[in-house]
Amino acid sequence: SQTIHQWPATLVQPVGSPLSLECTVEGTSNPNLYWYRQAAGRGLQLLFYSVGIGQISSEVPQNLSASRPQDRQFILSSKKLLLSDSGFYLCAWSFGQGREKLFFGSGTQLSVL
Amino acid sequence: GESVGLHLPTLSVQEGDNSIINCAYSNSASDYFIWYKQESGKGPQFIIDIRSNMDKRQGQRVTVLLNKTVKHLSLQIAATQPGDSAVYFCAENNDYKLSFGAGTTVTVRA
Repeated sequence: SQTIHQWPATLVQPVGSPLSLECTVEGTSNPNLYWYRQAAGRGLQLLFYSVGIGQISSEVPQNLSASRPQDRQFILSSKKLLLSDSGFYLCAWSFGQGREKLFFGSGTQLSVL
Repeated sequence: GESVGLHLPTLSVQEGDNSIINCAYSNSASDYFIWYKQESGKGPQFIIDIRSNMDKRQGQRVTVLLNKTVKHLSLQIAATQPGDSAVYFCAENNDYKLSFGAGTTVTVRA
């Protein structure tokens, strides 16, 4: 069966510091991978998605970037965090066939102070 | 622009009663819809999905109804239990991406 791992669960970072969140998927090959952000009490906003190694699509211009160095690894990064980067970050995967459901990780609660 | 939205932000239901959560979408070309449940501090959990060639789909204690004429989606939960308390999101799948509504918070009263 497939599993998705996302870490850390919580993170407190000062403004201006770098960020690296990692997500890995096990039990499948060539998944589509996604990063979402969720503000408190709000819906999910798609940040990045990837359909293959090295292929990244950005949905919203922002202070963040994403990379996919391996087939089942997706990384969310920032060189300098802003206060507005605070939120609940969720990694997700789907089978790479188009209209398929997403499976989400457990999320990372990021607080930028 | 196109959007997915839920009709009511909160729903309070008596334990044992049925719950109905509604969602409206505006993209008439959408052909795949999903309902998720999210508990506090956790990632969304898949509940049930439906494709546009269907009007109704049933799972364990849940039913999703799709009305393409009025672009409306609903989730029915039978015999609501305390463990059903959560935020429920409808989502519209557009190619490789999901667009989410703001969510409905369901609270189950004992």
